[in-house]
This record gives sequence, C-alpha cells and structure tokens, in this order.
Amino acid sequence: QVQLVESGGDLVKPGGSLRLACAASGFTFREYYMSWIRQAPGKGLEWVAFISSSGSTMSYADSVKGRFTISRDNAKTSLHLQMNSLRAEDTAVYYCARPKIDYALLDAFDIWGRGTVVTVSS
Amino acid sequence: DIQMTQSPSSLSSSVGDRVTITCRASQDISKSIAWYQQKAGQAPKLLLYATSRLESGVPSRFSGSGSGTDYTLTITRLQPEDFATYYCHQYYSSPQTFGQGTKLEI
Repeated sequence: QVQLVESGGDLVKPGGSLRLACAASGFTFREYYMSWIRQAPGKGLEWVAFISSSGSTMSYADSVKGRFTISRDNAKTSLHLQMNSLRAEDTAVYYCARPKIDYALLDAFDIWGRGTVVTVSS
Repeated sequence: DIQMTQSPSSLSSSVGDRVTITCRASQDISKSIAWYQQKAGQAPKLLLYATSRLESGVPSRFSGSGSGTDYTLTITRLQPEDFATYYCHQYYSSPQTFGQGTKLEI
C-alpha cells in the first residue's frame, strides 16, 4: 500500500545537526513533489520545505531557510531533511507528505507519514 | 504569505449535532483549500480538497463550501469518532499555510 515512513528524529542540543529520512513505497515516488511539514508540541501545522519530482527545485519556509536542506533519492525512493544550527523552536514532530496529484507543486496532501520527533534542548 | 484564520479555536458539541468550522484567507485562494482531521498522536488525515471534494473513504457527513476568502467545513450528525482537531490548508500559493486548528470536543 501507499506508505511514508519517517525516521531519524532524536534529542539534539541547540546548534546541533540532524538528518531526517522518509522512506516511500507503494507509488511512483519520482513523479511526486514531496514536502516536510512540522508540528510543534500542542501547536498547529507548519509547512517546512518541498522538493520537485526531479529534485531540481526546492523551497523553504523563512523559519528554516539557510539552515535546512531538503533532498531526495528517486532510485531509493527516499526523502531527506538535513537540519543544521538547530534551535529550541525547531522542536516538533516532522512529517513527510505527498500531494494528491503527481507533478503538482501545490496541492492537498493525501498521504502522510506517522512522523518523527525532533527535540532540541540542552 | 497567505494567512489562514480559523475559527473557532475550540468547540463543544454532542453526538448527533451539526457543526461548522470556518477559515478566512487573507486573500482570494480560488477554492484551493483542504481540510484535515487529526487525532491525538496521529498524522493529519485529508477529508476534503478543492473546497468541497470529498476524499475517498471519508463519510458524506463531512462537507465543504466557500469561495474567495471564506470557507467552511460542516459536519452533520456528529459521531463519536469525529471528536478531533481540524485544520484548513491553503495550497493556492507558496508557502502553503494552515489554519491554527479547531479542537472539537464532546
């Protein structure tokens, strides 16, 4: 079945780095833009970054620009988020999500992973 | 960035009731809005997209409407499993943005 599974979340100190992964299965991964979306404890949803189906185009929320890097490996059907210079306010559950329509830059997200927890604290 | 103002932030209702949640966008989003349901400890689940299109498998008691800047999610005949938090999401322009959420409680 169509599935996204995140991993890599951990407790990290402020200023530290972390690399999240999202393993995709059950669909043609290379045909979909992919996004990372996060949710701070007790808060709402915040889109973090997207990457185009080919991996040639990326976009980031202002809150993470210059610190986070999204990437993908279509051969391995995996999505990544490299997180550097982490701050306490980056503490959240990080979800990878797929839009409904292939090759769609902007669309509703119909497939979500279960999330991975990132905690930034000294 | 387009701001999505969702109201109310919380709502108490009973099984069998009809409830309406609203989202107001800071500019016209041309019906490019989705609604999600999220239960504690779970990922969001897509309910509706393109304002009023029901996602496959979602009960017909969920419906959506609106245009321009104002949109609503309506749940008729509330069921016990509907008590959750609901989010709107505009995908008209990047960065995509979400409403603050509405917690629907018994």
